[in-house]
Amino acid sequence: QKEVEQDPGPLSVPEGAIVSLNCTYSNSAFQYFMWYRQYSRKGPELLMYTYSSGNKEDGRFTAQVDKSSKYISLFIRDSQPSDSATYLCAMTKGGFKTIFGAGTRLFVKA
Amino acid sequence: GAGVSQSPRYKVAKRGQDVALRCDPISGHVSLFWYQQALGQGPEFLTYFQNEAQLDKSGLPSDRFFAERPEGSVSTLKIQRTQQEDSAVYLCASSPPKWDTQYFGPGTRLTVL
Repeated sequence: QKEVEQDPGPLSVPEGAIVSLNCTYSNSAFQYFMWYRQYSRKGPELLMYTYSSGNKEDGRFTAQVDKSSKYISLFIRDSQPSDSATYLCAMTKGGFKTIFGAGTRLFVKA
Repeated sequence: GAGVSQSPRYKVAKRGQDVALRCDPISGHVSLFWYQQALGQGPEFLTYFQNEAQLDKSGLPSDRFFAERPEGSVSTLKIQRTQQEDSAVYLCASSPPKWDTQYFGPGTRLTVL
């Protein structure tokens, strides 16, 4: 079993929809949780960064962490075709070694 | 400003050849990471440098993989006697001294025939 599980999708939604992306993890030592966006043939770019449990909002993006359930989520409001990409969850115990999920491919249809 | 750059962007090697992949981090970034990303998967940690010191190489798949950062800036990932299973995108990332995020390069896509 992988330390971080993420549904690979693909997930297809109409423009304007609310998108929910999720990951589960098995190691309770993880403390820092991140979401990256990766466009085709590009490197990942950081979207959201959260320490421990709670919510964090940045524009159309909201990240949630529930450490008791070992479950993290990313919500995208008013999704746009430009949001079409692969979304990677990632986490670390506080050091430098980051563990990534497999990524969920998202398609937003105009 | 300039981001993380990697070269070459694409590399085709015959099985058994040695390859060298280069990473130029963002100027002033102390930390440098290498990842391997197989098709349809997330990046997998290979190794980490703080300045010129290689602090963790636990993710390197075999002793055919070797990384160096001799002057604490540019880094090279070398793969000896390449195998087909080495085909992947190799990503480099760097972080500033106060680590809060990693900035990724575009990757080098390695295909071993």
